[in-house]
Amino acid sequence: AQSVSQHNHHVILSEAASLELGCNYSYGGTVNLFWYVQYPGQHLQLLLKYFSGDPLVKGIKGFEAEFIKSKFSFNLRKPSVQWSDTAEYFCAVKPGGYNKLIFGAGTRLAVHP
Amino acid sequence: DAGVTQSPTHLIKTRGQHVTLRCSPISGHKSVSWYQQVLGQGPQFIFQYYEKEERGRGNFPDRFSARQFPNYSSELNVNALLLGDSALYLCASSPAEGYDNSPLHFGNGTRLTVT
Repeated sequence: AQSVSQHNHHVILSEAASLELGCNYSYGGTVNLFWYVQYPGQHLQLLLKYFSGDPLVKGIKGFEAEFIKSKFSFNLRKPSVQWSDTAEYFCAVKPGGYNKLIFGAGTRLAVHP
Repeated sequence: DAGVTQSPTHLIKTRGQHVTLRCSPISGHKSVSWYQQVLGQGPQFIFQYYEKEERGRGNFPDRFSARQFPNYSSELNVNALLLGDSALYLCASSPAEGYDNSPLHFGNGTRLTVT
């Protein structure tokens, strides 16, 4: 079955620390990959997406993610987090030929000033 | 532009009752999808509608149904509510049918509590 795994359920960082959130998926075919963020009290928002081409994609607010096809991974990174990055982060996969997103369980990030 | 709007924002129902949740997509978007987000989990796909037709259904029982209206708004109906139906129900819209690269735009959700 298609699934998405996010390795870290809770992450606590200090401001200016670097961030990497892991995401692995199980699907052997073509995929579109997404990271969504949910700030407290707000709706899910798109951070970045990968469809094809350069496997390193840049999103909003200084986030980037790297697609490694051989590892079925799409890890999210940010060199220096801010307190305002406190949120829940969801990795999602849209398998080719499907019209639905498959989400991971999410990672809660807390950034302390 | 208004985003995806959902109503109501919160709802409390008793086991066995029926509930209707509503969603208005972003103007110009013809596709609406519904997701269920149980506490501590990621959203799970329930339905997708495009041009008033069901185009996808997730692994949910027949107690769950939906429809899309000519103005592209949508309703999600759940019959015979169970405690396990307590969740945040998310509506998302996109311009096209969903097989393309368009990302989904999500609403704030309806928090359903079943007691």
